[in-house]
Amino acid sequence: QVQLVESGGGLVKPGGSLRLSCAASGFTFSDYYMSWIRQAPGKGLEWVSYISSSGSTIYYADSVKGRFTISRDNAKNSLYLQMNSLRAEDTAVYYCARDGLRPVAEAFDIWGQGTMVTVSS
Amino acid sequence: DIQMTQSPSSLSASVGDRVTITCQASQDISNYLNWYQQKPGKAPKLLIYDASNLETGVPSRFSGSGSGTDFTFTISSLQPEDIATYYCQQYDNLAYTFGQGTKLEIK
Repeated sequence: QVQLVESGGGLVKPGGSLRLSCAASGFTFSDYYMSWIRQAPGKGLEWVSYISSSGSTIYYADSVKGRFTISRDNAKNSLYLQMNSLRAEDTAVYYCARDGLRPVAEAFDIWGQGTMVTVSS
Repeated sequence: DIQMTQSPSSLSASVGDRVTITCQASQDISNYLNWYQQKPGKAPKLLIYDASNLETGVPSRFSGSGSGTDFTFTISSLQPEDIATYYCQQYDNLAYTFGQGTKLEIK
């Protein structure tokens, strides 16, 4: 079945780094744009970054620009988020999501279960 | 960035009620608006895309309307399994933004 599984979350000190991974299965990963979206504890959803199907087009939210790097390996059906210079306000559940309705629309039709990132000393 | 304002932030209704949530964009976003449902401890689920199109497999009691800056999400007859938080999301601008959410509870 169509599935996204995130991993790599954990506890990290302010200023530290973490790399999240998202393994895709059940669909042709290389055909789809992908995004990372996060949710701070008890808060709403915040889009973080997106990458085109080939990896040639990338965008970031202003809140993470210059600190986070999105990438993908289509041969491994995997999406990544390298997070550097982490701050307390980056504490959140991080979801990977498929942008699955192009060209009709841009919407997140498949989501992973999320991985928790906690930034604390 | 485009700001999305949902109202109300919380809502209590009875089973069978008609429920309406509104979402206002800070600028014209045409029909580039989606609606998601998130149940506690779970990932969000896409319900409506392009303001009014029902995602495959989503019950027909859910509907959406609107264009420009003002949008409406409706549940025609509330069911117990609809208890969740609902979010709107715009994609007119590449800095995708979500509304703050509407928490729906059973009265």
